Amino acid sequence: DAGVIQSPRHEVTEMGQEVTLRCKPISGHNSLFWYRQTMMRGLELLIYFNNNVPIDDSGMPEDRFSAKMPNASFSTLKIQPSEPRDSAVYFCASTRTGNTEAFFGQGTRLTVV
Amino acid sequence: SQQGEEDPQALSIQEGENATMNCSYKTSINNLQWYRQNSGRGLVHLILIRSNEREKHSGRLRVTLDTSKKSSSLLITASRAADTASYFCATGLNNAGNMLTFGGGTRLMVKP
Repeated sequence: DAGVIQSPRHEVTEMGQEVTLRCKPISGHNSLFWYRQTMMRGLELLIYFNNNVPIDDSGMPEDRFSAKMPNASFSTLKIQPSEPRDSAVYFCASTRTGNTEAFFGQGTRLTVV
Repeated sequence: SQQGEEDPQALSIQEGENATMNCSYKTSINNLQWYRQNSGRGLVHLILIRSNEREKHSGRLRVTLDTSKKSSSLLITASRAADTASYFCATGLNNAGNMLTFGGGTRLMVKP
């Protein structure tokens, strides 16, 4: 397996634009997590899915953020409209069963100017 | 708020020395995991210790868990320059499904 695949690796966009980040979890994994990492706030859990269903989205900063998981092999994190303070590295991770090893993608570095 | 908090935030040692990082958490857990992150990369799982375990070893890594103090430590013995990275603890929470929450991390620098 190629591991967790995220795209794009880098994204530079102007304030106000819509940004969509994509993630393909490892085949057979039933939980998927979206994290955001910044120097100021560290690694924050935004949302996680179990069997494609959102379980906890309390970490989503505001209504500008939304996440979907239409099937077991694909998830998106959308920001609209984007703001400079959204600039961060966004990680996707997946796990096979409850509370076991999480596999991380390489991350998407988002810069909003 | 973050469940786990690492201490120290940064650590600088010489190659060959041991490095100890600590993690404290707030609520009861199913397990505690340690991850490593090289600059610009994703996190990589190192070791998992369950709530009913007190100590675990993996190569040069030794992890302890004290559930009464809600704390864990990661010891890296005979450190190498290649161990330079950030290290994070993550807690798997009881009754929270598969959710993992991470601490702020310890930045370890091993000087050759």
